Amino acid sequence: AQSVAQPEDQVNVAEGNPLTVKCTYSVSGNPYLFWYVQYPNRGLQFLLKYITGDNLVKGSYGFEAEFNKSQTSFHLKKPSALVSDSALYFCAVSASISGNTGKLIFGQGTTLQVKP
Amino acid sequence: GAVVSQHPSWVICKSGTSVKIECRSLDFQATTMFWYRQFPKQSLMLMATSNEGSKATYEQGVEKDKFLINHASLTLSTLTVTSAHPEDSSFYICSAGRVGLGVNEQFFGPGTRLTVL
Repeated sequence: AQSVAQPEDQVNVAEGNPLTVKCTYSVSGNPYLFWYVQYPNRGLQFLLKYITGDNLVKGSYGFEAEFNKSQTSFHLKKPSALVSDSALYFCAVSASISGNTGKLIFGQGTTLQVKP
Repeated sequence: GAVVSQHPSWVICKSGTSVKIECRSLDFQATTMFWYRQFPKQSLMLMATSNEGSKATYEQGVEKDKFLINHASLTLSTLTVTSAHPEDSSFYICSAGRVGLGVNEQFFGPGTRLTVL
């Protein structure tokens, strides 16, 4: 069965410092991995995705994520955090198996708090 | 491109009434639409997957007679919460998927906040 784990409910970081939001996954076949951000009472905004190719993926707003197949991880990173990055972040996975319906499995979410 | 809208953005209704939520893909044709619900500070839980012109596929534990999904066209899916009760109060989010580069990509709507009194 597919699953996604975000081990941290909340990550606190000072503005200007680097941030990491962790994500590990379990899926049959090659994974398609996604990161989304959600601001209060809003839908999800796409940040980045890994399909194939380079393990380091660059996305919106200066975020990037590194796909690590051996560790089955896809941690989200940013070199310098902004207060406006404070939000709820979701990691999601979709399996690339034949007949895939595009169904996404979401992690439980990590609240990022960036303090000035 | 790839904009998905939801209407209404919020709704308050009395217990026992039905509420319809619309999800539209504005600038692309969606082969598949997904409906999620989200409780405060929790993850998105997939309720059902709908393909245009066919019956929706519901996730385990989701009552199909309570959450009616209609996907009449490639740009519109509706979710009707029938005989709503306070426990149905939640944030409902739809997404629209399209096949691109062999991978289904989902684009999310802004969500609908349902409050049942």
